[in-house]
Amino acid sequence: GQNIDQPTEMTATEGAIVQINCTYQTSGFNGLFWYQQHAGEAPTFLSYNVLDGLEEKGRFSSFLSRSKGYSYLLLKELQMKDSASYLCAVRERNSGGYQKVTFGTGTKLQVIP
Amino acid sequence: DTGVSQNPRHKITKRGQNVTFRCDPISEHNRLYWYRQTLGQGPEFLTYFQNEAQLEKSRLLSDRFSAERPKGSFSTLEIQRTEQGDSAMYLCASRAGGQGSRTDTQYFGPGTRLTVL
Repeated sequence: GQNIDQPTEMTATEGAIVQINCTYQTSGFNGLFWYQQHAGEAPTFLSYNVLDGLEEKGRFSSFLSRSKGYSYLLLKELQMKDSASYLCAVRERNSGGYQKVTFGTGTKLQVIP
Repeated sequence: DTGVSQNPRHKITKRGQNVTFRCDPISEHNRLYWYRQTLGQGPEFLTYFQNEAQLEKSRLLSDRFSAERPKGSFSTLEIQRTEQGDSAMYLCASRAGGQGSRTDTQYFGPGTRLTVL
């Protein structure tokens, strides 16, 4: 099993930068995902990290430190449409050799004018 | 639109009735996952298929729940004798096999929202 912790809610201002942290405890770590989920909609893929370091994709970046069990999602130049929940998900290879993805509870981000 | 479709999008049923949901994954994806999500929570893993084989089942999946993927393409999730606690969004996701960021990523369908009265 594994624990995934991320803040429940955050508020940030339009045009600013926000960092959403995620910590996890797992054995057999095999990748970390960030998903965006607007209210009432399905999660959509944002980023994937399996090696330590920073992955940049436009206004979104994701960082991973496997030794610390830590990741963050960085959102730059915030727009109102970025108001959503951001889900951290960790994949692990279990004892049966199968890969299971476990999601955190999500961080609800509110972008204000 | 990720290419994963689910039907129906909404289902309202009375307690004790049986319901069945369908998921059509992206055509070249051989992995298929079912999740359940309640308000304010992340998706909870229910079960996983590789082709037609059901390889993993969560302990959350009681004996009232059954999932199939008979030809390795679409999948169905059936809930028998529904209870009010089954009310949730049921999400299906698929991914391609192999390694790498493109094939490792799960793509979600729009979900089926179940309300049990």
